[in-house]
Amino acid sequence: TQLLEQSPQFLSIQEGENLTVYCNSSSVFSSLQWYRQEPGEGPVLLVTVVTGGEVKKLKRLTFQFGDARKDSSLHITAAQPGDTGLYLCAGVSGTYKYIFGTGTRLKVLA
Amino acid sequence: AAGVIQSPRHLIKEKRETATLKCYPIPRHDTVYWYQQGPGQDPQFLISFYEKMQSDKGSIPDRFSAQQFSDYHSELNMSSLELGDSALYFCASSFLTDTQYFGPGTRLTVL
Repeated sequence: TQLLEQSPQFLSIQEGENLTVYCNSSSVFSSLQWYRQEPGEGPVLLVTVVTGGEVKKLKRLTFQFGDARKDSSLHITAAQPGDTGLYLCAGVSGTYKYIFGTGTRLKVLA
Repeated sequence: AAGVIQSPRHLIKEKRETATLKCYPIPRHDTVYWYQQGPGQDPQFLISFYEKMQSDKGSIPDRFSAQQFSDYHSELNMSSLELGDSALYFCASSFLTDTQYFGPGTRLTVL
């Protein structure tokens, strides 16, 4: 069974702090997506990474795909209360169904 | 830009009743996926369709069935509902790439 482990599971930080969320697996993925989900809403796509070693930056968010395409990280700089939410990584391997990570619940305090 | 549309957004049913959830993918998207998300859990894949044919199957109970129609919309039919079926049901769509775009979800409550 393929698993995507995310860490930390819960994170509560002050506004302005930096943080990194990790998504790890023993399996290789053809691509990996990061989503943010608000309570009761659908996951909203943040980024897709495809190439091993790839780094993508979206404003204060930096995403990295591991060289072996088994892991990924999301780094947020100067976190804001609006960043609060559930962050999910999702991997695709073989068939096209997603395997979701265990999730990281982030709370940014003003 | 158009997004994935799901209806209804909220649904309340009694045990043993049936429910039908609808999903309208982003225009030109040819693949539809269904997920179930229980409270505090990550979404679990149920089933997917590509060009109106079932393309993959996950942890979908035998009481559930789904199909994709000629206009690419999809319906998830749920029969003999159980209390444990209460969850958020998401539909996602994609075209050519791995990236899936999610709808807002249908919250099903079984009483």
